[in-house]
Amino acid sequence: QKEVEQNSGPLSVPEGAIASLNCTYSDRGSQSFFWYRQYSGKSPELIMFIYSNGDKEDGRFTAQLNKASQYVSLLIRDSQPSDSATYLCAALIQGAQKLVFGQGTRLTINP
Amino acid sequence: EPEVTQTPSHQVTQMGQEVILRCVPISNHLYFYWYRQILGQKVEFLVSFYNNEISEKSEIFDDQFSVERPDGSNFTLKIRSTKLEDSAMYFCASSEDYRLETQYFGPGTRLLVL
Repeated sequence: QKEVEQNSGPLSVPEGAIASLNCTYSDRGSQSFFWYRQYSGKSPELIMFIYSNGDKEDGRFTAQLNKASQYVSLLIRDSQPSDSATYLCAALIQGAQKLVFGQGTRLTINP
Repeated sequence: EPEVTQTPSHQVTQMGQEVILRCVPISNHLYFYWYRQILGQKVEFLVSFYNNEISEKSEIFDDQFSVERPDGSNFTLKIRSTKLEDSAMYFCASSEDYRLETQYFGPGTRLLVL
């Protein structure tokens, strides 16, 4: 069973601080990883994808991938109250046409 | 910006009834997917579809489920005889390619089976 694991939280971060979200995956063959943001009752909204080891930055967001440790993370700098949401980590399973999602981490940014 | 659309946004049905959920994927995308999310649980893969065929399906996608691309734009999910446990949010997604490409999600259909 190919799994993606996330700490469900809640993770509470003060406004302006860095929020750090983590994810591990079991399928060593997975090549691509995605971070989606999901507001309550809404659909997943893509934030970033990463498929190379190392860091990838996009504005206030940085995704990090370590394939040796099977670990993916998302850093949100200068956190805003509007960043309060559930963050979903997903892995594209090698050779398969599907995403496997973690259970999501609920993030709250406190003003 | 192109987006995936889904109708209806909400559907209430009686147990045993058939429902059809509709999706219009992004126009140049070739791969289509259905996922579902039971309240409070993970987003789960149901099925992927390419070139008018099912490419992959999960164990959830049993004989009660079917998918179809009836014309050049719509992609549908049919549940033949709904059960209480089919109550969930159903998301359609599409991508240009399945390998590295991002899957873009529609807004979802909230299905409630009574």
